[in-house]
Amino acid sequence: EAGVAQSPRYKIIEKRQSVAFWCNPISGHATLYWYQQILGQGPKLLIQFQNNGVVDDSQLPKDRFSAERLKGVDSTLKIQPAKLEDSAVYLCASSLDHLRGGRETQYFGPGTRLLVL
Amino acid sequence: AQTVTQSQPEMSVQEAETVTLSCTYDTSESDYYLFWYKQPPSRQMILVIRQEAYKQQNATENRFSVNFQKAAKSFSLKISDSQLGDAAMYFCAYRRGYGGATNKLIFGTGTLLAVQP
Repeated sequence: EAGVAQSPRYKIIEKRQSVAFWCNPISGHATLYWYQQILGQGPKLLIQFQNNGVVDDSQLPKDRFSAERLKGVDSTLKIQPAKLEDSAVYLCASSLDHLRGGRETQYFGPGTRLLVL
Repeated sequence: AQTVTQSQPEMSVQEAETVTLSCTYDTSESDYYLFWYKQPPSRQMILVIRQEAYKQQNATENRFSVNFQKAAKSFSLKISDSQLGDAAMYFCAYRRGYGGATNKLIFGTGTLLAVQP
């Protein structure tokens, strides 16, 4: 079974530029998560999708970050314009169905490392 | 709000020895799950072990076991017969138990484990 795929693996941009990350979850997984992991910290949820609907985006900086999962499969996370403090690893995860409760295992992708100069 | 605290930024263990990583958490909920995730330099988060709060028996997975003290809100990870491949960042995480709402993972700040040959 293929795991969660993410691209690109690394990205270097200058502040005020825009950037997009892509995630392909495990086949059949209804729930998709984007986490931000700043160096020295644990991952923090940015947004959670159930199929193509948003379950939680309370910690997403909506003035610069946007995310979509139009067909309920792949997802894209965008930052526009980027700030220095956006330098982090962006992790995508998926699970079968979050409605099954906390027992659900979240499977993580390899992450995209973003450096904003 | 739920919080997870890991007070050991770094730990070191000799190969074949045993090491214990500490984690405390705070919650007012009664139904929840606790996890230990491993993050090697490749950045891929890997689930090590899971504990259901309603279970008194401590979870074990081969060389990995937990000491779950619900009243003290403590959740430590014991790694027995440490191997070089165990070297990684270890994150303790909390997740509410019931479905139907966001059940994001809430992570601690991590403990970097070094394994000495």
